[in-house]
Amino acid sequence: GENVEQHPSTLSVQEGDSAVIKCTYSDSASNYFPWYKQELGKRPQLIIDIRSNVGEKKDQRIAVTLNKTAKHFSLHITETQPEDSAVYFCAASFSMNYGGSQGNLIFGKGTKLSVKP
Amino acid sequence: DGGITQSPKYLFRKEGQNVTLSCEQNLNHDAMYWYRQDPGQGLRLIYYSQIVNDFQKGDIAEGYSVSREKKESFPLTVTSAQKNPTAFYLCATTSTATNEKLFFGSGTQLSVL
Repeated sequence: GENVEQHPSTLSVQEGDSAVIKCTYSDSASNYFPWYKQELGKRPQLIIDIRSNVGEKKDQRIAVTLNKTAKHFSLHITETQPEDSAVYFCAASFSMNYGGSQGNLIFGKGTKLSVKP
Repeated sequence: DGGITQSPKYLFRKEGQNVTLSCEQNLNHDAMYWYRQDPGQGLRLIYYSQIVNDFQKGDIAEGYSVSREKKESFPLTVTSAQKNPTAFYLCATTSTATNEKLFFGSGTQLSVL
C-alpha cells in the first residue's frame, strides 16, 4: 500500500538553531502535502502545506520544500523557540474511492522536536 | 474546539463491551473522518464519510462501525471485536472550500479496564 516515511523520529536542538524534518512518499499521484503540529494531549493543527505545482513555500519561520521527482518533502523551522517543541507529522494525499484526494491523507509516524532553552 | 466537538474526553471500556465515541460539527462540512493514534505512530484512518448516509472503510476498519444519519454527526462505535482499542481517537472534517485541509476535534482517549 501507499506509504509515507518520516525522519528523524526525535530531534533535539538548541533554541535559535534550525530544525529540519524530512518525509518521503510512495504515491506518485500525491499532490498535496500538509504538515501538522501536535502538542501533548492536544489535536493536530495544520501549520503549513504545499501543493505539487510549487517547489517551496514559506510562512515566517517555517518553510516547506518539495521535490516531486525524488518524492520527498521537508519542513524547515528557523530560529527555533521552546514553544516549537511538539510532535510534527507530515502527510501526503492519495486518491479516494470517489476520485480526487479530498481529505484522504497518509501520515508519517511523527517527529518529536525538543527545543532546549 | 473550532466547531468540532468530540465527547467524552476520556472513556473506559470493559472487556466485551461496545462503546461509542461522539463527533459533532457545526462547520457545515461535508466530509468527516475518524483516525486512530497510537504512541509513536502516525494517524491511521478508520472510516470516512463524504455525504450523509454513506461511508467508506479506511485502513483499519476492523472492529469499528460508524453511521452518518446527519451531516453534523459521525459517531464511531468500538466493538468488542476490536481487541486492542486503547488509543487516542481523532475526528476530523474537511469542506469543499478547504479541499484536503483537515480540521481535527480535540480527541477521545479510550482505555481498557
